[in-house]
Amino acid sequence: NAGVTQTPKFQVLKTGQSMTLQCAQDMNHNSMYWYRQDPGMGLRLIYYSASEGTTDKGEVPNGYNVSRLNKREFSLRLESAAPSQTSVYFCASSDNMNTEAFFGQGTRLTVV
Amino acid sequence: QKEVEQDPGPLSVPEGAIVSLNCTYSNSAFQYFMWYRQYSRKGPELLMYTYSSGNKEDGRFTAQVDKSSKYISLFIRDSQPSDSATYLCAMLRTSYDKVIFGPGTSLSVIP
Repeated sequence: NAGVTQTPKFQVLKTGQSMTLQCAQDMNHNSMYWYRQDPGMGLRLIYYSASEGTTDKGEVPNGYNVSRLNKREFSLRLESAAPSQTSVYFCASSDNMNTEAFFGQGTRLTVV
Repeated sequence: QKEVEQDPGPLSVPEGAIVSLNCTYSNSAFQYFMWYRQYSRKGPELLMYTYSSGNKEDGRFTAQVDKSSKYISLFIRDSQPSDSATYLCAMLRTSYDKVIFGPGTSLSVIP
């Protein structure tokens, strides 16, 4: 069982470069999320998608865009990376009850 | 003031000790309370969830919610080195709402 799969696992970017973080889930979940995790800040919601075709901003959306390509896939794009976007990014999914979210392994992103 | 607060630790205890991990929150509308465990360099995984006030037990783990004090706790009995991880509390107003996470408490259980 793959669960939630994120790619890549590690990435180093130069300031101003762009990249897309990929996420796919095989649990037929409706809801998908992108979080960033920074020391002392916990998990902060960037964007979420309650169902295929819908996306909404979370707590820290600035500098990011998302696409819910289909029910399985939810991608996060950094158009012009900044050092403040250095973080660990987690994708998660849940069924209609959000009391249990399943997380991917994370993407460690460094922007230099 | 953050919506959900946790002491970040690190908390270090000897093997076999009883561990108490706590969160406070400010929004009285929260009704669903979860505890996630996160091992180093891994994604969080759900340990337990509780609806409204009261206690819930699962093996060595007990979750406790006191809505009147806006305070939740996770107790770990007979702690093991394998319990060493970061523990994050999380809350929802309704089951369809966005999850709000606390910053996490780092726990080390020393053999």
